[in-house]
Amino acid sequence: ETGVTQTPRHLVMGMTNKKSLKCEQHLGHNAMYWYKQSAKKPLELMFVYNFKEQTENNSVPSRFSPECPNSSHLFLHLHTLQPEDSALYLCASSQVAGSGTDTQYFGPGTRLTVL
Amino acid sequence: GQNIDQPTEMTATEGAIVQINCTYQTSGFNGLFWYQQHAGEAPTFLSYNVLDGLEEKGRFSSFLSRSKGYSYLLLKELQMKDSASYLCAVEDSNYQLIWGAGTKLIIKP
Repeated sequence: ETGVTQTPRHLVMGMTNKKSLKCEQHLGHNAMYWYKQSAKKPLELMFVYNFKEQTENNSVPSRFSPECPNSSHLFLHLHTLQPEDSALYLCASSQVAGSGTDTQYFGPGTRLTVL
Repeated sequence: GQNIDQPTEMTATEGAIVQINCTYQTSGFNGLFWYQQHAGEAPTFLSYNVLDGLEEKGRFSSFLSRSKGYSYLLLKELQMKDSASYLCAVEDSNYQLIWGAGTKLIIKP
């Protein structure tokens, strides 16, 4: 398996559910990212991990909780979400965050629908 | 505030040339990226510009003018598979990517 993979690809959940999104990168990178992509809006950076340490949290509500057990895996734990959280959640990885000329490689995303 | 502007949607004909513009106002500049995103798929890296001028990669070229805060992506010999959204992103002084909303390109036969 190559590149960046994400599971599940589609997720429908109620506002009281708890679920987790998983991301895995096979590129030997040290930085991983979570983005939210809503229709016709710019990508919104949510979290950044560099060498397993969280270096960025862009004022994301606490109902989104990231976890990075190692440089290859990233999770986004979801609980008590709101309908406006419905979006495409993209994971990305890069060699080292904040290093300049650092290209990010994206996974296919998880399409989340909150009912 | 930081801002990236690009057209929402463009239409072009198969075999033709299209230019997608991107203007930016950011706190600092450490480079500009173009990504392609087909519907339901991951954004994929197309090009990176940090110096003024034109970078050519096959049918795709990207231009940057830092003094004007302006870039464009030029696609030649358009093919139906080029129908996608094209995302412009600028790396600011904190090396964080600031993204445009993307340009949806529709190719007609």
